[in-house]
This record gives sequence, C-alpha cells and structure tokens, in this order.
Amino acid sequence: GQNIDQPTEMTATEGAIVQINCTYQTSGFNGLFWYQQHAGEAPTFLSYNVLDGLEEKGRFSSFLSRSKGYSYLLLKELQMKDSASYLCAVRDMGNSGYALNFGKGTSLLVTP
Amino acid sequence: DVKVTQSSRYLVKRTGEKVFLECVQDMDHENMFWYRQDPGLGLRLIYFSYDVKMKEKGDIPEGYSVSREKKERFSLILESASTNQTSMYLCASVFGTGTEAFFGQGTRLTVV
Repeated sequence: GQNIDQPTEMTATEGAIVQINCTYQTSGFNGLFWYQQHAGEAPTFLSYNVLDGLEEKGRFSSFLSRSKGYSYLLLKELQMKDSASYLCAVRDMGNSGYALNFGKGTSLLVTP
Repeated sequence: DVKVTQSSRYLVKRTGEKVFLECVQDMDHENMFWYRQDPGLGLRLIYFSYDVKMKEKGDIPEGYSVSREKKERFSLILESASTNQTSMYLCASVFGTGTEAFFGQGTRLTVV
C-alpha cells in the first residue's frame, strides 16, 4: 500500500486561484494523476505528471516533485462550476499493475 | 471517445443475494479495474484484470470475485451481499502505462 494525503476540504472565491496539495509515498512510482469528480458523477481526468515540473492545461496546472513525493493542482480564475472533489492518484508499478491508487479527495467549494 | 459503461446506475438488493455488476469498455483496453467509493474513505481498489481470464486482488477483495471472459467486459460479483457492501462502485479501464484511467458512470448499490 501507499500513503496519499491531501486536504479534506478547501474554500475559495470565484475568480481567485487555489492550490490543492498532495503528498505520497510509493516504491514504484509511475505517474501522478489528478481527477475531478462532481457529486454523484464519475471522476474525469484532469492532468498527468511523470517527470518533475509543471504541466499546464488551460486554467488548470499540475506540478510534480518526485524527490519530495509532492504534487499540487493549481486552479486559476475559479468558476462556480469548479466546486467539486479533486482526487490525487498515483500509479505504482510495484504491486497493482496499472491500477491507480487514490487519495481520499479534496472537496473544493467555490463561493461568489 | 472512450466509453466505459456500467450496466446499472442504481441497484437495490437484499442481504444474501448474489449480485452481478457489469462493465463494458469499447476501446480494446487490456486493463480493467473495480473500485468502491465511500464517504471519507475515497476510492479503494477491489480487483483488477490485465488480460482476459486474468485477475488480481486489490486492496479490499474480501466478499467479492470477478470475471473477465472477454476483453471488453469485466464483471464484479458479490457472492452473498451484505449491508456493508452498500457503496458506489466504479469501473475503470486503461490502455497501458502513461495513460489515464477512464471511468464508468458508477453503480450505487444499496443492500437492505
């Protein structure tokens, strides 16, 4: 198994920037993923990092530091529709093949 | 677009019943997974399969079994449903390493 930690809840204001952190411990790291999940719906893919650095995709960016076991998801120009749960997931080739192991998720509330 | 389809969105079963949850993907992915999602616990891996007739236990396989007779179909079986198996069940498929998992819409199972 592995530990994947992220904050349980965050609140931010519409139009602002928010950073959601994720720390992990794994023996066979093979990629870090961020998913968005609205209430009652399936998770949808946001970003993927396997090398250190920043990946930018529109309003969303994701950063990875493998040496620190650390990632963050940055959401810019927040919109009300960004209120959702954000899931950090790690692929560990050590024991579960290609399976993603998920953190418990961060519930983000965007307020007017 | 990849499509992962789960047979039921909502299901209500009685304690002791045998329950089948079906999942079909249309993109020829080798790898398929079953997760359950519970409040405060996040997504937890039940079983996964990396090829037809191949299966591996995830983190919480007790009380479940799986079947993969065809590449596109991965079934989760609750041999004798219990109330602690009331949960949201999510199926996912992956093409290979370095790619994201695609999720089905989820099956909310209630065992009474």
